[in-house]
Amino acid sequence: AQSVTQPDIHITVSEGASLELRCNYSYGATPYLFWYVQSPGQGLQLLLKYFSGDTLVQGIKGFEAEFKRSQSSFNLRKPSVHWRDAAEYFCAVGLNDMRFGAGTRLTVKP
Amino acid sequence: DTGVSQDPRHKITKRGQNVTFRCDPISEHNRLYWYRQTLGQGPEFLTYFQNEAQLEKSRLLSDRFSAERPKGSFSTLEIQRTEQGDSAMYLCASSSRDSMPEYTDTQYFGPGTRLTVL
Repeated sequence: AQSVTQPDIHITVSEGASLELRCNYSYGATPYLFWYVQSPGQGLQLLLKYFSGDTLVQGIKGFEAEFKRSQSSFNLRKPSVHWRDAAEYFCAVGLNDMRFGAGTRLTVKP
Repeated sequence: DTGVSQDPRHKITKRGQNVTFRCDPISEHNRLYWYRQTLGQGPEFLTYFQNEAQLEKSRLLSDRFSAERPKGSFSTLEIQRTEQGDSAMYLCASSSRDSMPEYTDTQYFGPGTRLTVL
C-alpha cells in the first residue's frame, strides 16, 4: 500500500539559511510525488511534482526536490529561506487517491 | 481561471444534524476530489469523480458520507447525522486528465470548509 512519512513534525531555521524537508514514501510502482505548502487560512498550493525523467525537480518559490529511488525519498530543499516560507509542508504520493504525509511545520527565525 | 471554490467556508452544526458542502472546480477540469483534513494531519482522500461518474468511493469514512456530481460540474459532499468526530476541514480539489499517454494530472485545491460539530 502506498504511504508517505515525513519524519520531522516541526523544523526551525534562520532566515537566509538553507532548508531540507524530508519525505519517504512506500509505493508499488513508479511513484508520482508531490510537495504542497499550506499557509494558515490558505488552501494547499502545489510547489512541485515528479512523474518521471530528471530526478531533480524545480518548483515555484525557489524550491527544488530530488527523487532518490534507492532511498525511497523525495526531499524538498531551498538554498535560502525567507520569512514568508513559514508554513506547513506536505509530501504526497499517488494520483487519483493521493496519500499525504502528516506534514512538517516550518518556523523561520529572523 | 478563478480556482477551486468551496462553500461555505465555515459550518457549525449540532450533533445529529445533516450538513452539505459545495465545491466548484476549475471550469475546464473533469476530475474532482474530496479530502478530509484533521488537526495536525495531512489530507485524507475520500472520493473522486471523473465528469459525473464517481470512480472511487470505498474510502468514504462511513455510510453517513455521500458525494454527488450530477452534471459533471460542481459537487456536493453530504454528511448525515453528524458526530463530533466529523469536525475537520473538508477539502476539494480538481484536475484535468491529460489525453497524453504520460500522466500529467495535478490536483489544485480549494480553501476548504471547516466543520465544527457541537
